[in-house]
Amino acid sequence: KQEVTQIPAALSVPEGENLVLNCSFTDSAIYNLQWFRQDPGKGLTSLLLIQSSQREQTSGRLNASLDKSSGRSTLYIAASQPGDSATYLCAVKRGAGGTSYGKLTFGQGTILTVHP
Amino acid sequence: DAGVIQSPRHEVTEMGQEVTLRCKPISGHNSLFWYRQTMMRGLELLIYFNNNVPIDDSGMPEDRFSAKMPNASFSTLKIQPSEPRDSAVYFCASTWTERPTGELFFGEGSRLTVL
Repeated sequence: KQEVTQIPAALSVPEGENLVLNCSFTDSAIYNLQWFRQDPGKGLTSLLLIQSSQREQTSGRLNASLDKSSGRSTLYIAASQPGDSATYLCAVKRGAGGTSYGKLTFGQGTILTVHP
Repeated sequence: DAGVIQSPRHEVTEMGQEVTLRCKPISGHNSLFWYRQTMMRGLELLIYFNNNVPIDDSGMPEDRFSAKMPNASFSTLKIQPSEPRDSAVYFCASTWTERPTGELFFGEGSRLTVL
């Protein structure tokens, strides 16, 4: 059974800092890994998707890396801003084979607060 | 594209009543997921469909919960009878499973309160 863990559970940083959010998973047979953002009372918005064959993806101030063999991914946020405050979740999609092909498993999320 | 559409956005009902939540996935997607989110348990997968067929319903809490996907553009999640512990935000999401680049897109959620 796939288990996804996110560390830290909460993070508070001053504006302008660079920060790293961590995601680890137990089963390396994944199809892809996706990072999401959730604002309070809202749905989840996709930030970045990394295919299992890729090592990293970048979008603006965000950079996500993937080390499938060690079961780890990181989300790097450069020059953080108060508007980045939200909950960040990672999710892994199960790879081919087995009865749960395509199943996505989420971590519990990291609550990020960026204060001015 | 309008994205994943869920209805109702908010539902308040009394214990014992039937609740039906609806979802329209993004056109062309072949997988649909129902999630439940609470403060205590986070985001839980209830059931997911691939090509309208239920693949994994191991997350469905009990027999009071049922889900259907009669066609590629519509799914329902039904709770009968509802209980206060079912209060949560229920999300529907869709994707194209076989594409490595297939992102998962979420609806805005249906906030359910059972009194």
